Amino acid sequence: SQTIHQWPATLVQPVGSPLSLECTVEGTSNPNLYWYRQAAGRGLQLLFYSVGIGQISSEVPQNLSASRPQDRQFILSSKKLLLSDSGFYLCAWGWGRSSTDTQYFGPGTRLTVL
Amino acid sequence: EDQVTQSPEALRLQEGESSSLNCSYTVSGLRGLFWYRQDPGKGPEFLFTLYSAGEEKEKERLKATLTKKESFLHITAPKPEDSATYLCAVQETSGSRLTFGEGTQLTVNP
Repeated sequence: SQTIHQWPATLVQPVGSPLSLECTVEGTSNPNLYWYRQAAGRGLQLLFYSVGIGQISSEVPQNLSASRPQDRQFILSSKKLLLSDSGFYLCAWGWGRSSTDTQYFGPGTRLTVL
Repeated sequence: EDQVTQSPEALRLQEGESSSLNCSYTVSGLRGLFWYRQDPGKGPEFLFTLYSAGEEKEKERLKATLTKKESFLHITAPKPEDSATYLCAVQETSGSRLTFGEGTQLTVNP
C-alpha cells in the first residue's frame, strides 16, 4: 500500500527566515506530486505540481519554490518567509498515468510565521 | 476558469437526521469530480470519484451523486463521528489539477 509522509508536523518561524518542508511517498513509483496551501476555514489552493524528477509547474506566483530531487520526494522552500505564508501546507500524490488522477493527501504541516 | 461552489457553508444536524450537501461546478470538460472528508488539523481523506452524469457511489452512510452541473453528498442517519468538513473538487479533461470548493462544515450532535 502507499503511504505519504510530511514533516515537520508544525513549524513556527520568524518573518524573513528560510523554509524547507519535505514530503515523501512510499509504495509507488513515478507519482504525480502536488503542494497545496489551505488558509484557515478555506479550500485548498494548488501551489506546485510535478510529473517527474526535476519537473515543476508553478500555479501561483509567490516567494515559494518547489523541487523534486528524487522520484518520491517533494520539497517546498522559501528564502524569506512573509506573514502571509502562514497556513496549512498539504502534499498529495496521484497515479499520474491513470485516466483520472485521484489525489491522496498527507497529514499536512501547520506553518505559523510571526 | 473552473469554479466550484459548495453549500451550505456549515450544517448542524441531530444524530439520525438525514440531509444533503451540494457542490455546483463549472468546468469546460469534466474528467472527474471528487469528494473528500477533512477532520480538523488533518489532511483530506478521499471518499469518492464520480466520472459522468447519473453516476452514484455509496460508502456506509454516504452516497454521492452527479449531474451535469452539480453533485450531492447525501448523508443518511448521520452519527457524531460523521462531523467533519466535506470538500468537493473537479478535475478537467485537459490536466490533473484539482479545483476545490470552500467546503461544508458538518456538525452532528448526539
